[in-house]
Amino acid sequence: QKEVEQNSGPLSVPEGAIASLNCTYSDRGSQSFFWYRQYSGKSPELIMSIYSNGDKEDGRFTAQLNKASQYVSLLIRDSQPSDSATYLCAVNVVSGTYKYIFGTGTRLKVLA
Amino acid sequence: GAGVSQSPRYKVAKRGQDVALRCDPISGHVSLFWYQQALGQGPEFLTYFQNEAQLDKSGLPSDRFFAERPEGSVSTLKIQRTQQEDSAVYLCASSLTLTRYEQFFGPGTRLTVL
Repeated sequence: QKEVEQNSGPLSVPEGAIASLNCTYSDRGSQSFFWYRQYSGKSPELIMSIYSNGDKEDGRFTAQLNKASQYVSLLIRDSQPSDSATYLCAVNVVSGTYKYIFGTGTRLKVLA
Repeated sequence: GAGVSQSPRYKVAKRGQDVALRCDPISGHVSLFWYQQALGQGPEFLTYFQNEAQLDKSGLPSDRFFAERPEGSVSTLKIQRTQQEDSAVYLCASSLTLTRYEQFFGPGTRLTVL
C-alpha cells in the first residue's frame, strides 16, 4: 500500500466551479499535511499547510483534515484556468524522521 | 528575499560520468531536503540535513549517490557513474527548522543521462 494516495486524474471542472482534490495516507501518527501546486516543467509551490482536524481557509483555497479517517482534501473555489496544474499532497512520516512523503499528484484542468 | 536556488538547471551526462548538483537554501533555513522526481510522479525523498548533519539518507537509491552539506548552508548531491535510470529532476527544498515543516522548493536540476 502506498503511503500517500491520490487520484491521478485528470479532474476537469468548468471555470467558476469548485474543484475538490483528495488524498489518503497510511501513517496514523502523521501530524503535518501539505498541498503543493506544480505547473508543468516547474517545481512544487506550497499552497496550504494544515496540522489540526477541521478546515483551514486561505483565499479561494480550503484544506480539510480528518485524522480519524486519514484523509486530507483541498477545495478550490471559483476555479480559474490558471489553476490548471498538478496538485501534490505531502504528509510527514513519524518514527524518528522528519521526511515528507508525496503522493503522485492529481492533474486538474479548469475549462474556460 | 531570495528563494532556494539550484545549479545547474540542466545537465546532460554520458553514462558512467560523475555529476554534482548544487543547492543553495533560503538564508537562515536549518533543514535541507533532496528529492528525485520522475516524469508524472511525485517527488521521492532522497535525504535530508539539519545544519551540517545528515539525519536521514534512507531514500538514496544506491551507494553511487552521495550528499553533503559541510558548512550547514550549501549542499551538493553527487552521483557517481551515472546510469540512464538516474535521469530525472532533482529537487532541493529547505525549511526554517525541522519543527517548522513548510518546505520551499528550488527550481530543480533536470539530469539527462545518455
